[in-house]
Amino acid sequence: DAKTTQPPSMDCAEGRAANLPCNHSTISGNEYVYWYRQIHSQGPQYIIHGLKNNETNEMASLIITEDRKSSTLILPHATLRDTAVYYCIVRRFGNEKLTFGTGTRLTIIP
Amino acid sequence: NAGVTQTPKFRVLKTGQSMTLLCAQDMNHEYMYWYRQDPGMGLRLIHYSVGEGTTAKGEVPDGYNVSRLKKQNFLLGLESAAPSQTSVYFCASSRLDNSPLHFGNGTRLTVT
Repeated sequence: DAKTTQPPSMDCAEGRAANLPCNHSTISGNEYVYWYRQIHSQGPQYIIHGLKNNETNEMASLIITEDRKSSTLILPHATLRDTAVYYCIVRRFGNEKLTFGTGTRLTIIP
Repeated sequence: NAGVTQTPKFRVLKTGQSMTLLCAQDMNHEYMYWYRQDPGMGLRLIHYSVGEGTTAKGEVPDGYNVSRLKKQNFLLGLESAAPSQTSVYFCASSRLDNSPLHFGNGTRLTVT
């Protein structure tokens, strides 16, 4: 599976949109982009995933560039409860394994 | 609907002792996984299973064994615990292929 690169930490003001970038320049055509987050020491929580089209659900939006080499997770109105470590993962279709990097520690500031 | 349940939540072992961590899921998922997470690091895959009676090695399998005798349960065993196995262990499950993983809340293991 392709490797991903994320900034180690980011801050965002409460109520603003949080935009978390991820670089996956070696992604191949059958690899999906997944986002998870881990709040404090809880188990990771699935947020969203996509292949090449932009995706939106009740938690977030995922914007994937046309060349698929990078993506952005958008939390539209960040709250204090969104403070967490966010993981961007690339996973090949049919690959049972999911490999986590070190993620981005997002801090929402009141 | 409990999702993924891990027992115990906390455990302290002495070097050389053995123990089994239990993961149970009630979502009828095919795939199950064991990860470990060390301070400041991401999750590393220990072992996984793609169905009842099957297991496979992940990134860091040494020192661990697993069994999946029933579809809903995935056991992680430490035969002779070492201080290097002090970690937080997470279990996860998913339906087939690209389905999202559902995680338990972890087992915090300390080996002294």
